[in-house]
Amino acid sequence: AQTVTQSQPEMSVQEAETVTLSCTYDTSESDYYLFWYKQPPSRQMILVIRQEAYKQQNATENRFSVNFQKAAKSFSLKISDSQLGDAAMYFCAYRIRVQGAQKLVFGQGTRLTINP
Amino acid sequence: NAGVTQTPKFQVLKTGQSMTLQCAQDMNHEYMSWYRQDPGMGLRLIHYSVGAGITDQGEVPNGYNVSRSTTEDFPLRLLSAAPSQTSVYFCASSGVFNQPQHFGDGTRLSIL
Repeated sequence: AQTVTQSQPEMSVQEAETVTLSCTYDTSESDYYLFWYKQPPSRQMILVIRQEAYKQQNATENRFSVNFQKAAKSFSLKISDSQLGDAAMYFCAYRIRVQGAQKLVFGQGTRLTINP
Repeated sequence: NAGVTQTPKFQVLKTGQSMTLQCAQDMNHEYMSWYRQDPGMGLRLIHYSVGAGITDQGEVPNGYNVSRSTTEDFPLRLLSAAPSQTSVYFCASSGVFNQPQHFGDGTRLSIL
């Protein structure tokens, strides 16, 4: 089965602190990409960070970084120095090739609240 | 730089009505797809296209039709709207496999 599991429906963190959102996935493919998307109340899907499965080095984008554990099929997102603007739904997803097409599979999301 | 444009942003339909959700992209992307997002859930793939004239079903295709006559446009048709199709619909496009998908702003559709 091709699934993405986000075990934390909701998380909260104090402003300026660090928070980690967890994600595990299940795929038998060896060539895939992993993504974290942010969805604020405006409903836009905003790419936060991506990771190529063949790269061992964890991706970083400013205050956002991932802990990619390929053998464990784990892909957590760490947000450092949390800001009020980080409040949103966060979705973990992976993309694989299926018969020449691309398939993007999403988790159910984690709602992140930032407390001032 | 428009990216992916979806119209309309909001729509209310009565059960049994038909309508078409429009999606257009200006990035010359081959791959386009439609998702629906229901409360408490992630996005689920409805239909996708790998190029003009080529479409295929995703995870939840029932009740929806698509066509891809040009690279730019990928409309989604609801043939006979049902309350279960009340959702937020997203269109996305991407180029080569190692590039991320670009999403439209979504269409909130309510079926009464």
